[in-house]
Amino acid sequence: QQQVKQSPQSLIVQKGGISIINCAYENTAFDYFPWYQQFPGKGPALLIAIRPDVSEKKEGRFTISFNKSAKQFSLHIMDSQPGDSATYFCAAIPSSNTGKLIFGQGTTLQVKP
Amino acid sequence: EPEVTQTPSHQVTQMGQEVILRCVPISNHLYFYWYRQILGQKVEFLVSFYNNEISEKSEIFDDQFSVERPDGSNFTLKIRSTKLEDSAMYFCASSVGLSNEQFFGPGTRLTVL
Repeated sequence: QQQVKQSPQSLIVQKGGISIINCAYENTAFDYFPWYQQFPGKGPALLIAIRPDVSEKKEGRFTISFNKSAKQFSLHIMDSQPGDSATYFCAAIPSSNTGKLIFGQGTTLQVKP
Repeated sequence: EPEVTQTPSHQVTQMGQEVILRCVPISNHLYFYWYRQILGQKVEFLVSFYNNEISEKSEIFDDQFSVERPDGSNFTLKIRSTKLEDSAMYFCASSVGLSNEQFFGPGTRLTVL
């Protein structure tokens, strides 16, 4: 079964701190790993994405680290801000590539001022 | 900026009734998707659609579900006989290509009584 496991379920970080969310996948080859950010009452929005031939990708304060051998990837939010408070989902698209996104369980991030 | 739109924002229906959820994808996008999110849970893939055909569907997408692109702009999800467990937020998404960013709509909250 295709699965993406995400942790922690919730995270509280002080303003200016680093938020780290981890994901792991199993059993299936995936070839695209996006992270989505979701605010209450809104649909998920793409934050940053990585392909498995790259070990790290950075966009502003957001960095994805990818470990292909361990089948793990993580999101780091540097200098976390209260406006970053949202639910974050890691996801993966299988190599069979019909566009299906398989989501992790989500992490609710709260950044305290 | 182009966006995916969905109507209605909230639909309340009685168990056993048919519902149609409507989506207008971004105009130059070719791939269309439906996902659902039960309250407090992860986003789950339902179906992907390309060239007027279903590309892939999940186990959730049984005979009670159907999708249609009735004209050049709308993409609909029909549930023929709703069940209590169909209560969820339903998100439509679209993308230019299979490996491109999927843009999500704001969702339709379906409540089955």
